[in-house]
Amino acid sequence: GESVGLHLPTLSVQEGDNSIINCAYSNSASDYFIWYKQESGKGPQFIIDIRSNMDKRQGQRVTVLLNKTVKHLSLQIAATQPGDSAVYFCAEKGSGGSYIPTFGRGTSLIVHP
Amino acid sequence: DTGVSQNPRHKITKRGQNVTFRCDPISEHNRLYWYRQTLGQGPEFLTYFQNEAQLEKSRLLSDRFSAERPKGSFSTLEIQRTEQGDSAMYLCASSLAGQAHYEQYFGPGTRLTVT
Repeated sequence: GESVGLHLPTLSVQEGDNSIINCAYSNSASDYFIWYKQESGKGPQFIIDIRSNMDKRQGQRVTVLLNKTVKHLSLQIAATQPGDSAVYFCAEKGSGGSYIPTFGRGTSLIVHP
Repeated sequence: DTGVSQNPRHKITKRGQNVTFRCDPISEHNRLYWYRQTLGQGPEFLTYFQNEAQLEKSRLLSDRFSAERPKGSFSTLEIQRTEQGDSAMYLCASSLAGQAHYEQYFGPGTRLTVT
């Protein structure tokens, strides 16, 4: 069936490095993709979205890249900080008439000082 | 704090008991969502309200689960005859109609442990 999933469960980086979190999707009909950040003990927090007709979108210290050819998107975090340590989820805007996001499995980002 | 609040934060119950969770959304938000999250997984959608109307329910919402939002403000999620498989974090989120559904604000969740 359709799915949204992540390549790696855990990513460890040094403070100041750039981080790249990857996500694969299989539903070519998805028209929005979303990244969320979930810190320990908290609910997910919306970070950034990208529409399927875009290849790249930038936010504050974050960039999302979308490659529709291989059904892959990534979240790049520049100059990673300890406060970026969290679980990151990609999600797709719901299909089949529902617009509720469908979440994939998370990637845990660990930032070492 | 004007964010989404959930009570209780933790609940331990014995199998077969009923439990009820409460969610208070951001005050001006008319959409409210319930999700279930297990360790390492993303949230799984359970149900969605717009004002007091329950507009969508997931297949995950078995007949032991019921959600209400009687006055279009706070919501409750009840699980009857709890099973060990119900152990999870139950998340509530809210958003404004007119915004994308995914621009939701999540609460901290209620962690349910069924023994």
